[in-house]
Amino acid sequence: AQTVTQSQPEMSVQEAETVTLSCTYDTSESDYYLFWYKQPPSRQMILVIRQEAYKQQNATENRFSVNFQKAAKSFSLKISDSQLGDAAMYFCAPNSGGSNYKLTFGKGTLLTVNP
Amino acid sequence: GAGVSQSPSNKVTEKGKDVELRCDPISGHTALYWYRQSLGQGLEFLIYFQGNSAPDKSGLPSDRFSAERTGGSVSTLTIQRTQQEDSAVYLCASLSPTGYEQYFGPGTRLTVT
Repeated sequence: AQTVTQSQPEMSVQEAETVTLSCTYDTSESDYYLFWYKQPPSRQMILVIRQEAYKQQNATENRFSVNFQKAAKSFSLKISDSQLGDAAMYFCAPNSGGSNYKLTFGKGTLLTVNP
Repeated sequence: GAGVSQSPSNKVTEKGKDVELRCDPISGHTALYWYRQSLGQGLEFLIYFQGNSAPDKSGLPSDRFSAERTGGSVSTLTIQRTQQEDSAVYLCASLSPTGYEQYFGPGTRLTVT
């Protein structure tokens, strides 16, 4: 079974600044994907970024990037030039790989963006 | 194209009643998932469908919970004899066959009184 730890229940950042959200996980899978999702108060889960575990290169999506350390089972999310619209709950979620790709979620980090 | 849709958006029911929650996935997505989000348990997997089959039901919390999928499309999650601990947001997602990311619906907030 997979476990996911997001050690920061809450984080805050000033608008235009950079913030990093932490995530560590445990898995017995050899081939899997990792995701960050955001959930604003509307409760819609929105995909932020994905990373294939077999790729050494860290994924980047506009202002969002990850630092993926496979050996350490660490998958942090960096948000650059933070915007008010980035305020949300952020969830780290590896999937179970080729068996059924189900997601295991951390407890989330609530990000506040201050103007 | 259209995203994942769920209905109803909100459902209030009395303890002991049965409820049905509906999910309509993205067209062409053969894999579908149900998750539950509650304050106490966070986000947890309930069941996975591949086509109309459910090879992984390991997350269903009790035999009061069941789900089916017909025509490889719409899925229904049924909760019988609802209890207060069933109060949660029920999220449905479908799997992109290319990128393996899941796309979520807006959820159904279930309140059992």
